[in-house]
Amino acid sequence: DSGVTQTPKHLITATGQRVTLRCSPRSGDLSVYWYQQSLDQGLQFLIHYYNGEERAKGNILERFSAQQFPDLHSELNLSSLELGDSALYFCASSLRTGGEKLFFGSGTQLSVL
Amino acid sequence: QQQVKQSPQSLIVQKGGISIINCAYENTAFDYFPWYQQFPGKGPALLIAIRPDVSEKKEGRFTISFNKSAKQFSLHIMDSQPGDSATYFCAASMAGGSNYKLTFGKGTLLTVNP
Repeated sequence: DSGVTQTPKHLITATGQRVTLRCSPRSGDLSVYWYQQSLDQGLQFLIHYYNGEERAKGNILERFSAQQFPDLHSELNLSSLELGDSALYFCASSLRTGGEKLFFGSGTQLSVL
Repeated sequence: QQQVKQSPQSLIVQKGGISIINCAYENTAFDYFPWYQQFPGKGPALLIAIRPDVSEKKEGRFTISFNKSAKQFSLHIMDSQPGDSATYFCAASMAGGSNYKLTFGKGTLLTVNP
């Protein structure tokens, strides 16, 4: 168990809908990263938050947004969902920014029908 | 643009054999190179990592070999076991700074036959 908690584990929704994925980092970790994993694209970095502030953006669509709250949990919001958004979404946490050890959660499997 | 290229896509090894997975990177600013192991239904877990100031790092049966001039690094799993069957990802990042991201290879599905 990595200590990173992601909910829900599975999410099935329809095109055009909006969903929220939640991540609780390990106790004491200030950084939260979001990644998308798909068969064709592999693991793609989406966004990084450190202690409530956005630090870096990767291949995140404008329909997606994220935030990190004062208690350090983070939420990834996906809106106007398309079939192609179906993927496994991972959250990872680490104590500091930089090339530190990332602890990944078990992911949220999103299926858009 | 794929900045970290990983090969092979899949690998089958007999128990007790050596598994070798290779990665090549393009960005010379990368200075941290981890390998992650992922089992079905789980998130990736850090296996071993290396920085470019050393050419090799060993932890138990797992060894990273790093060739800075060739911009390549590889994972060697000695005495491979069925329990090592998983997907392995190489990755690279620039440690420190505010524009951090971990760039992953596409992954290698390793199957170790008993």
